[in-house]
Amino acid sequence: DTAVSQTPKYLVTQMGNDKSIKCEQNLGHDTMYWYKQDSKKFLKIMFSYNNKELIINETVPNRFSPKSPDKAHLNLHINSLELGDSAVYFCASSQGGPINEKLFFGSGTQLSVL
Amino acid sequence: GENVEQHPSTLSVQEGDSAVIKCTYSDSASNYFPWYKQELGKGPQLIIDIRSNVGEKKDQRIAVTLNKTAKHFSLHITETQPEDSAVYFCAASAQTGRRALTFGSGTRLQVQP
Repeated sequence: DTAVSQTPKYLVTQMGNDKSIKCEQNLGHDTMYWYKQDSKKFLKIMFSYNNKELIINETVPNRFSPKSPDKAHLNLHINSLELGDSAVYFCASSQGGPINEKLFFGSGTQLSVL
Repeated sequence: GENVEQHPSTLSVQEGDSAVIKCTYSDSASNYFPWYKQELGKGPQLIIDIRSNVGEKKDQRIAVTLNKTAKHFSLHITETQPEDSAVYFCAASAQTGRRALTFGSGTRLQVQP
């Protein structure tokens, strides 16, 4: 009965590879997000989608491309992975948003780029 | 855009003591201030929030206060227990610019039994 589920939980890969992280929410929420948490625990928003429409696109390299096939799914594809991409990536959702709303976070995907 | 500063970065208390974490924000138009708790290996989870029309809110051992004039808000945990040990994040909603929650840098709370 996980509300926001993301896969995989751990991802270890070589520099230059392309990888994807998948996220699904079963809460019926309209808005989904990707957050990046670095080694110092800073939580920074990357993208936000509302009903499959991109509404927040922070200054992230264009190697990162989000895709929302429907409002319950938001995937993150990363091309040409770099060492600096190593972090924990969290998917989240909210009923409305992206402000003034409770966020429900997934359990995170720890990405390690070697 | 919004800037949220959080202090202290680490806090160690004895079980039963109180813990206070403080945050300041820069956007005077921000009107929503949530607090999230992140346990090891998990995603952040909302524990309490406050809106700008309220000065204080309490939920059992947790309380949040807001001073809009000074643009700061605080989390108070009373009668701390070992299970309160976690990283706590404050956040503020930006009403201008990208209009998203901006998180503080986090406080690692350690409750010593």
